Amino acid sequence: DTAVSQTPKYLVTQMGNDKSIKCEQNLGHDTMYWYKQDSKKFLKIMFSYNNKELIINETVPNRFSPKSPDKAHLNLHINSLELGDSAVYFCASSPMGQGATNEKLFFGSGTQLSVL
Amino acid sequence: AQKVTQAQTEISVVEKEDVTLDCVYETRDTTYYLFWYKQPPSGELVFLIRRNSFDEQNEISGRYSWNFQKSTSSFNFTITASQVVDSAVYFCALSDSTGGFKTIFGAGTRLFVKA
Repeated sequence: DTAVSQTPKYLVTQMGNDKSIKCEQNLGHDTMYWYKQDSKKFLKIMFSYNNKELIINETVPNRFSPKSPDKAHLNLHINSLELGDSAVYFCASSPMGQGATNEKLFFGSGTQLSVL
Repeated sequence: AQKVTQAQTEISVVEKEDVTLDCVYETRDTTYYLFWYKQPPSGELVFLIRRNSFDEQNEISGRYSWNFQKSTSSFNFTITASQVVDSAVYFCALSDSTGGFKTIFGAGTRLFVKA
């Protein structure tokens, strides 16, 4: 039933490890996003995919690699995790296609990543 | 350049007080969209309202109201007769074509409503 679901909800790992966060939406939306929310609650966009094509790639370390196997899924893989990667990562989707109107974002419940 | 400023970091009110959360935005586009989202203590992000740049009509939804003024580039949010359940972080956000249709968020305003 959940519109945008991401797993896991919590992720605790050691520095240097590689981890993935998965996201799936069942809303039929064209566009999916990853946002990072730091400890001060600041929300910053990382990536956006439209129909499996990367359309937004903010200044994010290349240790972060998004992958979209189809338009309903957008996963985030992080290599060589660092302490500063600790944050809440939100997946989102919207029905907006390129050049279309800017619709609201539907967010997943977030993944709390803690790097020790 | 796109920018959203929420100058109020934290606001604390007593239940039943009215409270206004300020939002000032910057954009070079004539077509843009403004949003408010709520993040309660449980952590999820909840959409509240979307407004396009051509619609300056104010909106009221129950105890919530929004005042959009292009002349001052502001999109303020008022909660009337606040309740403890309104305690949350509230984000104002902007999306325009210059920014590649990405939605950028203000820093958020944390609202505490005390019983």
